[in-house]
Amino acid sequence: QVQLVESGGGVVQSGRSLRLSCAASGFTFSGNGMHWVRQAPGKGLEWVSFVSYDGIIKNYIDSVKGRFTISRDNSNNMVNLQMDSLRVEDTAIYYCARFYGDDDKGYLDYWGQGTLVIVSS
Amino acid sequence: QSALTQPPSASGSPGQSVTIYCTGTSSDVGAFKYVSWYQRHPGKAPKVIIYDVNKRPSGIPDRFSGSKSGNTASLTVSGLQAEDEASYYCFSYAGNYNWKFGGGTQLTVL
Repeated sequence: QVQLVESGGGVVQSGRSLRLSCAASGFTFSGNGMHWVRQAPGKGLEWVSFVSYDGIIKNYIDSVKGRFTISRDNSNNMVNLQMDSLRVEDTAIYYCARFYGDDDKGYLDYWGQGTLVIVSS
Repeated sequence: QSALTQPPSASGSPGQSVTIYCTGTSSDVGAFKYVSWYQRHPGKAPKVIIYDVNKRPSGIPDRFSGSKSGNTASLTVSGLQAEDEASYYCFSYAGNYNWKFGGGTQLTVL
């Protein structure tokens, strides 16, 4: 069955870096785009980043552009989110999710359980 | 990149119908047919219940339906059941590999 397991969360000071990883299994990883979504305490879901099935197309929400970098390793079935220059407002649970569909047309059909990132001032 | 607008709460009695609206703009909800809805119970991962505005994934009961008019998408839950009590989020493609979520609606079954 499809499984997505995030790791790498923790407590970090403002301005520092953290690298999140999402290990995928149970499907042909290289066939699906992947997203990162976050949920800040007491807030709703927020789309953060997308990487296409081949790693060529990447995009980010404006608030993290220039600070976060998404990447994927199709050989090891992993998607990563390098988070630099972290801000207090980046504090959230971060989820990776599989994108089901073609190119930019689809939906999120499987989600991980999330990894908590706390950025302290 | 403003979030889509959803009411923070909605409620209904068992057996009733409830509709949750998700308002965007002509650049997101109004421009594309790629609106999906997610149900989230506390402590659980979100689960897709509607995709492409009005399609249901396998296993989702037909009590859940979706539609769109202009810049507003809607999710209707008919024949409310206790287990429908959850948070619901809309999610729309916004072009150029951008996506947006709605703020979420907490559905209470009275």
